[in-house]
Amino acid sequence: ELKVEQNPLFLSMQEGKNYTIYCNYSTTSDRLYWYRQDPGKSLESLFVLLSNGAVKQEGRLMASLDTKARLSTLHITAAVHDLSATYFCAVANTGNQFYFGTGTSLTVIP
Amino acid sequence: GAGVSQSPSNKVTEKGKDVELRCDPISGHTALYWYRQSLGQGLEFLIYFQGNSAPDKSGLPSDRFSAERTGGSVSTLTIQRTQQEDSAVYLCASSLSIYGYTFGSGTRLTVV
Repeated sequence: ELKVEQNPLFLSMQEGKNYTIYCNYSTTSDRLYWYRQDPGKSLESLFVLLSNGAVKQEGRLMASLDTKARLSTLHITAAVHDLSATYFCAVANTGNQFYFGTGTSLTVIP
Repeated sequence: GAGVSQSPSNKVTEKGKDVELRCDPISGHTALYWYRQSLGQGLEFLIYFQGNSAPDKSGLPSDRFSAERTGGSVSTLTIQRTQQEDSAVYLCASSLSIYGYTFGSGTRLTVV
């Protein structure tokens, strides 16, 4: 079974600072997804990464994928309070089954 | 519809009762997934439907859980003889391609 690990699990950061969330997975896959979840809400798609070296950016968030290292990163630049949420990565296997990481709960402090 | 619709949004049931949770995927989406999210936890895969193929049921936690998808569209997740450990948010997602998976807002199930 494909295993997905995220770290850190909890992240408290000050506004204006930069930080990176890491997502490691156990078996070969070239499809990785990042989602955001606000409390009591469903999951919102952030990024779809479909090839080695893929880099996507949206506002203060940038995601990248290294399929050889089985690693994706979600980099936060100059954090703002609105980014406070839980972030999940998910990896798809060849059978189109998604495996989710445990999530990173991000709190941005003024 | 414009998004994935799930009903009910909240369900409180007594232990031992059966419940049915409904998912209306985005029209035309061939893939449909059910996940379970317990409080403060990640997402646990339950079942996956793709077109007319046999569903991937490998994530169903026990034989009390079953799901069907009628006409390649609406799906119903049924939990029989509910237990307290079944309390969770049940999320449905649908997709047309590998480029996008859209989640519904979920059904919060509480077994008392």
